[in-house]
Amino acid sequence: EDQVTQSPEALRLQEGESSSLNCSYTVSGLRGLFWYRQDPGKGPEFLFTLYSAGEEKEKERLKATLTKKESFLHITAPKPEDSATYLCAVQYQAGTALIFGKGTTLSVSS
Amino acid sequence: EAGVAQSPRYKIIEKRQSVAFWCNPISGHATLYWYQQILGQGPKLLIQFQNNGVVDDSQLPKDRFSAERLKGVDSTLKIQPAKLEDSAVYLCASSLALSHEQYFGPGTRLTVT
Repeated sequence: EDQVTQSPEALRLQEGESSSLNCSYTVSGLRGLFWYRQDPGKGPEFLFTLYSAGEEKEKERLKATLTKKESFLHITAPKPEDSATYLCAVQYQAGTALIFGKGTTLSVSS
Repeated sequence: EAGVAQSPRYKIIEKRQSVAFWCNPISGHATLYWYQQILGQGPKLLIQFQNNGVVDDSQLPKDRFSAERLKGVDSTLKIQPAKLEDSAVYLCASSLALSHEQYFGPGTRLTVT
């Protein structure tokens, strides 16, 4: 059973068309939830860490939010350069491994 | 600040051959991770070091994979012998300490034929 599920698997947007990506997790006792961006042929690039329900973080056109069972990555007025795979990962205890979802591949066309 | 360095970037080998990957973490980062990323999947942790000690190697196939981090800085990951299912991108990451944000290198794409 997947512990981290991301949806949708793929998302196509027009430039300027805002949307949200979802990351849901099934195990309680979350210590932290992480969002990464991965471009083709590159390693994941750190975006945000969220620690508690209700927390929000923003960076340029991206805003990440966290509830007790899921996280959303909101993309406002996306641009073509936002096209990438967005990965969500959870950590259940301090010092333990990150458990990644399969990612959402975002394509933004002009 | 220099990022995580990995080499080689690409490697093609035949099954049953051996291969080694190298990682140099961000300066001062005590924790180092090796992940395997199969196409279309998220990264999966293989092994985690804190300085030169192993913290977690529960998902490392120890019959064929080995890793070391001598002197608590650089690390090597070895596969011997390789199988077709080992074809993947091998990512190295480092963090300042346990539970801090992890920063990834560009990865090594391994193809086993």
